[in-house]
Amino acid sequence: NAGVTQTPKFQVLKTGQSMTLQCAQDMNHNSMYWYRQDPGMGLRLIYYSASEGTTDKGEVPNGYNVSRLNKREFSLRLESAAPSQTSVYFCASSEPFRQNSYEQYFGPGTRLTVT
Amino acid sequence: GDSVTQMEGPVTLSEEAFLTINCTYTATGYPSLFWYVQYPGEGLQLLLKATKADDKGSNKGFEATYRKETTSFHLEKGSVQVSDSAVYFCAHAGGTSYGKLTFGQGTILTVHP
Repeated sequence: NAGVTQTPKFQVLKTGQSMTLQCAQDMNHNSMYWYRQDPGMGLRLIYYSASEGTTDKGEVPNGYNVSRLNKREFSLRLESAAPSQTSVYFCASSEPFRQNSYEQYFGPGTRLTVT
Repeated sequence: GDSVTQMEGPVTLSEEAFLTINCTYTATGYPSLFWYVQYPGEGLQLLLKATKADDKGSNKGFEATYRKETTSFHLEKGSVQVSDSAVYFCAHAGGTSYGKLTFGQGTILTVHP
């Protein structure tokens, strides 16, 4: 049971380049999330998908797009990377439709540097 | 709006010392409460949780009690180890943020031998 997997683990981009971060979960969860983690700021929600076929903006969506490809996969795309997007990105999943099961399960993260 | 406030860090302790990390929250309704731990270079792992008032979550010697009257969920451990060095995040879910977690800013804990 792999849980939540993310690729790549590390990435360096030049300003203006694009890339897609991949996330997959094998826990049959309905909901998936993308966060960014910056020093001293905790985790901030970028986008989430409450269930397959739906996506919604979180706290910091500007500069990002997402695709919920199927129940297992949720990708995050940077169309034109900027230095302000240098961060560690985490994907998570959860099953909030099950009573008292709001906890989220996190992937290992992608460390992105934009120069 | 919904928020979580953790005590400011970093926290530095000697091995076997007592640990408290304070956490208070604001939320509509009665959210589930969580503590997550992040070891260096890794993702977040659920440490413990509580889903209703007066519930006590516990795991690996850590404990936290859901206090509705003070809207708090302080993390405690009686005797820390070097291996407990990590970043600790308090979070809540539920209320108006159905399915989403609201995180505190994290507290860095360093334990010295």
